[in-house]
Amino acid sequence: AQRVTQPEKLLSVFKGAPVELKCNYSYSGSPELFWYVQYSRQRLQLLLRHISRESIKGFTADLNKGETSFHLKKPFAQEEDSAMYYCALSAGNNRKLIWGLGTSLAVNP
Amino acid sequence: GAGVSQSPRYKVAKRGQDVALRCDPISGHVSLFWYQQALGQGPEFLTYFQNEAQLDKSGLPSDRFFAERPEGSVSTLKIQRTQQEDSAVYLCASSPPGPQYFGPGTRLLVL
Repeated sequence: AQRVTQPEKLLSVFKGAPVELKCNYSYSGSPELFWYVQYSRQRLQLLLRHISRESIKGFTADLNKGETSFHLKKPFAQEEDSAMYYCALSAGNNRKLIWGLGTSLAVNP
Repeated sequence: GAGVSQSPRYKVAKRGQDVALRCDPISGHVSLFWYQQALGQGPEFLTYFQNEAQLDKSGLPSDRFFAERPEGSVSTLKIQRTQQEDSAVYLCASSPPGPQYFGPGTRLLVL
């Protein structure tokens, strides 16, 4: 079955601390993984896609096929990083997205 | 440039009422997706269009849900005889193809 698991509903860290938001997936084919972010009162926006292998706003994510994970990391969290983060898997010919439940990140001053 | 827009942003319906939700994708985007997001959940796929063709409607929860994109641009999601369990945020996304770009969503509350 195709599934995305984000085990933490809420993650709270202090400003300047490292942050890791976990994402595990289950998919029989070759997955394409994404991280989307939703800031307060804003729409969902793409943060990262694994094929780009880029760093956005200091965030990186590496696809680990052995562990079926795509964890999102940032070495030094900022208050403006506080948001809802969703991990998603692109599946099938139509590339529909299968989503995790999301992790709410709170960065405290 | 203009992003994906959706209207109305909020809709309150009485149980049994029909509703229509509109999505204006980014101009030129071939693919259009509808998702439903219940409170505290991630989005769930409803249906997919490539131009005017509805290629996947496997996520529509019942035959009360109907979507169309007659000219390959604007799409409408219609829900007939709304039920309380239809209360959710309905998200529309378009893609060139490639990454999906989302609208602000329509928050539907069925009383």
